[in-house]
Amino acid sequence: QKEVEQNSGPLSVPEGAIASLNCTYSDRGSQSFFWYRQYSGKSPELIMSIYSNGDKEDGRFTAQLNKASQYVSLLIRDSQPSDSATYLCAPETSFQKLVFGTGTRLLVSP
Amino acid sequence: DAGVTQSPTHLIKTRGQQVTLRCSPKSGHDTVSWYQQALGQGPQFIFQYYEEEERQRGNFPDRFSGHQFPNYSSELNVNALWLGDSALYLCASSGLAGGPYEQYFGPGTRLTVT
Repeated sequence: QKEVEQNSGPLSVPEGAIASLNCTYSDRGSQSFFWYRQYSGKSPELIMSIYSNGDKEDGRFTAQLNKASQYVSLLIRDSQPSDSATYLCAPETSFQKLVFGTGTRLLVSP
Repeated sequence: DAGVTQSPTHLIKTRGQQVTLRCSPKSGHDTVSWYQQALGQGPQFIFQYYEEEERQRGNFPDRFSGHQFPNYSSELNVNALWLGDSALYLCASSGLAGGPYEQYFGPGTRLTVT
C-alpha cells in the first residue's frame, strides 16, 4: 500500500464547475496535511494547510479532513483555466517531513 | 520579503561526477528540507537540516549529503552521480515565522546526468 494515494487523472472539469480532488494516506499518526499546486515545469506552491477534522475554507478552496477515514480532499469552486495544474497531497509523517502522492492532474476547459 | 532561492537553475553533469546545489531559506525560517522529484512523481524527502545538523533523513544513499550554514542556508551534495539522479531538486524552508509547519518551496534545480 502506498503511503499517499491520489487519482493521477486527468480530472477534466468545465470552467465554473467544482473540482473535487481526493487523497488517502496510510500513516495514522499524521496530524498536519497540505495541498500544493504545481504547474508544469515549476515547483510546488502551497495552497492549503489543514490540521483538524472538518472543513477549512480559503477563497475558492476548501480542504476537508477526516482522520478516522484517513482521507483528505480539496474542493475548488468556480474552477478557472488557470487552475489547470497538478495538485499534490502531502501529509506530515514526522516533524516537518512531508510525504507526497503522485498528484492529480486537473484540466479546466473554457 | 524574499522567498526561497536556489542555485543553479539547471545543471548538466556526467555519470560519476559530483554536484553541489544551494538553497537560501525564506526570511525568518530556520529549517531547510531537500526533496527529489523525478518526472511524473511527487517529491521525495531526502533530508532536513535544523541548527546546522541533519535532523532526519529519507531513504537515500550516503552519496547524498548536506550542510547547513549559520545563516540557515544549505547545500545538497551528490557524489558519484548516476543516470537515475536526474530529477528536479527542491529545497523547502519552514519555521515559526511561516506558520507552525508550513513548508515553502524554492524554484528548484533541474539536474540532468548524462
